[in-house]
Amino acid sequence: DVKVTQSSRYLVKRTGEKVFLECVQDMDHENMFWYRQDPGLGLRLIYFSYDVKMKEKGDIPEGYSVSREKKERFSLILESASTNQTSMYLCASRRGQAGEQFFGPGTRLTVL
Amino acid sequence: AQSVSQHNHHVILSEAASLELGCNYSYGGTVNLFWYVQYPGQHLQLLLKYFSGDPLVKGIKGFEAEFIKSKFSFNLRKPSVQWSDTAEYFCAVIVNTGGFKTIFGAGTRLFVKA
Repeated sequence: DVKVTQSSRYLVKRTGEKVFLECVQDMDHENMFWYRQDPGLGLRLIYFSYDVKMKEKGDIPEGYSVSREKKERFSLILESASTNQTSMYLCASRRGQAGEQFFGPGTRLTVL
Repeated sequence: AQSVSQHNHHVILSEAASLELGCNYSYGGTVNLFWYVQYPGQHLQLLLKYFSGDPLVKGIKGFEAEFIKSKFSFNLRKPSVQWSDTAEYFCAVIVNTGGFKTIFGAGTRLFVKA
């Protein structure tokens, strides 16, 4: 059974803190993605990676960075968390260019 | 810019009612089309997908969708919903604009009354 796991289901942080969200997939997929999900806005792409050490900005990269040092792991970093980054963060992976994505359970981040 | 529109943000149905959720996209080239579902407390998962061939595709749990190229639509249908279909449904499109990009709709929350 394919699996994408995320390090935390719920996270509460304070404004200005540095936040790390970790994602691991066990399917040997080349492509990995970070989205944020907000009510009424659907899924918005923050960053994606198509290979180790490669990254591309998505639609809303401001305030975020990513790291992909190993194929199975893709990390999202909030350098200095702000209250407008309170959201549900979803990680996904995909084999190839145009197939289905497999999603993790999500991390609900609250920034106070 | 490419976009995906889901016409209904909230839908409330009684059990056994028929369901149709609209999805339209704006892109003139070849597309791959998906419907994903997110049940309460669970992760997003694939419901069905269309790449090519028969424009009527069948997915899990009795869902189907029809790709109508001339209308840029990929509507989701189910003839008789169940309480367990209560979930949020997302339409997604992959377009090739020099790289493959997935665009998601805003989602439709379906609540089925028992």
